[in-house]
Amino acid sequence: GENVEQHPSTLSVQEGDSAVIKCTYSDSASNYFPWYKQELGKRPQLIIDIRSNVGEKKDQRIAVTLNKTAKHFSLHITETQPEDSAVYFCAASLNSGGSNYKLTFGKGTLLTVNP
Amino acid sequence: SQTIHQWPATLVQPVGSPLSLECTVEGTSNPNLYWYRQAAGRGLQLLFYSVGIGQISSEVPQNLSASRPQDRQFILSSKKLLLSDSGFYLCAWSVRDRGYQPQHFGDGTRLSIL
Repeated sequence: GENVEQHPSTLSVQEGDSAVIKCTYSDSASNYFPWYKQELGKRPQLIIDIRSNVGEKKDQRIAVTLNKTAKHFSLHITETQPEDSAVYFCAASLNSGGSNYKLTFGKGTLLTVNP
Repeated sequence: SQTIHQWPATLVQPVGSPLSLECTVEGTSNPNLYWYRQAAGRGLQLLFYSVGIGQISSEVPQNLSASRPQDRQFILSSKKLLLSDSGFYLCAWSVRDRGYQPQHFGDGTRLSIL
């Protein structure tokens, strides 16, 4: 089955700096990669996702890049703010015309943005 | 718009007692449904998923079970809770029969076993 590795497990940055979280996946057939943000005690919330036919996607201060050859994808947050502090999870799945059964999650990255 | 409800929000149960957590989805039909457990400071462990009424797939053998008596209702149960069952239980849904759909999580149930 799919295996997703996520690094680093913790990341501390100063407000205004950029943060990068990296994930690798094992199944070359995986074609959908969402990222979730989970604040302390809250539910994970989707922040951005990317399909395998796209190399990069951007939404304001958040961007995701995908390298299918190397089987890795990354989350980039620019101009970080204290409210970006949370645990971030990457995930991978194989979507084949409705067989959207399971996401395989990374173990998470605790991002702390220091004011 | 679609919404997902989980209850209760918190639960404290003694070891050996039964468990029933409920999840319902509104605003969509035929969703895929999922139960996850998250231990403190840890990742998301998929417990069960369902692609239709009465169809349950188990990911991790344990003393928990799941049922889907109605299209938009998903129930997590146990006959006798263990200390190791403590954790944050999350229900999620996704659109079926369409590719590239994310999962959307409920607010979760924080379960403490004494």
